[in-house]
Amino acid sequence: DSGVTQTPKHLITATGQRVTLRCSPRSGDLSVYWYQQSLDQGLQFLIQYYNGEERAKGNILERFSAQQFPDLHSELNLSSLELGDSALYFCASSVLGLAGMETQYFGPGTRLLVL
Amino acid sequence: EDKVVQSPLSLVVHEGDTVTLNCSYEVTNFRSLLWYKQEKKAPTFLFMLTSSGIEKKSGRLSSILDKKELFSILNITATQTGDSAVYLCAVGYGGATNKLIFGTGTLLAVQP
Repeated sequence: DSGVTQTPKHLITATGQRVTLRCSPRSGDLSVYWYQQSLDQGLQFLIQYYNGEERAKGNILERFSAQQFPDLHSELNLSSLELGDSALYFCASSVLGLAGMETQYFGPGTRLLVL
Repeated sequence: EDKVVQSPLSLVVHEGDTVTLNCSYEVTNFRSLLWYKQEKKAPTFLFMLTSSGIEKKSGRLSSILDKKELFSILNITATQTGDSAVYLCAVGYGGATNKLIFGTGTLLAVQP
């Protein structure tokens, strides 16, 4: 158990809908990263927040957005969902938010299925 | 374009065998190379490598980085069925980019 929690574990929804994925980082970690993992693309970095502010952006679609709240939990919002958005979404956290200089601890993921 | 390539894509071995997994990369502003093990769900951290030629070791697992040739290997000796997983290699780079780029992984299956 990494100490990172994600809810829900599984989510099934229809195309065109909007969902919110939630992540609570490890105690003491200020930075949260979101990743998407699909069978054909592997693990793709989406976006990073550090202490409430966006720090880095990856391959995140405009239909997706995220935020980090004062209590440091983060939410990833996915809207106008398409079949291709079906994937495993991971949240990871770290202390300083310096990717590649410190360990990122991954949550158990949310499996999203868009029908 | 920045990329991380892992090989082989998958392999099947018998318990007790030794395996070597490869990771090559082409990225700008390289900061580190990381190995993760992914079983059913979340990737778990194995190693972070920043310097060439220095082996990192943890039990039966070891890894080394070659920054001149831009690759890393992960060795697992005396494999056990519990080593069955996807092994992910990621490269961290900094500056304004500050992210990890992952390879697609190597699926290892260890048969009893």
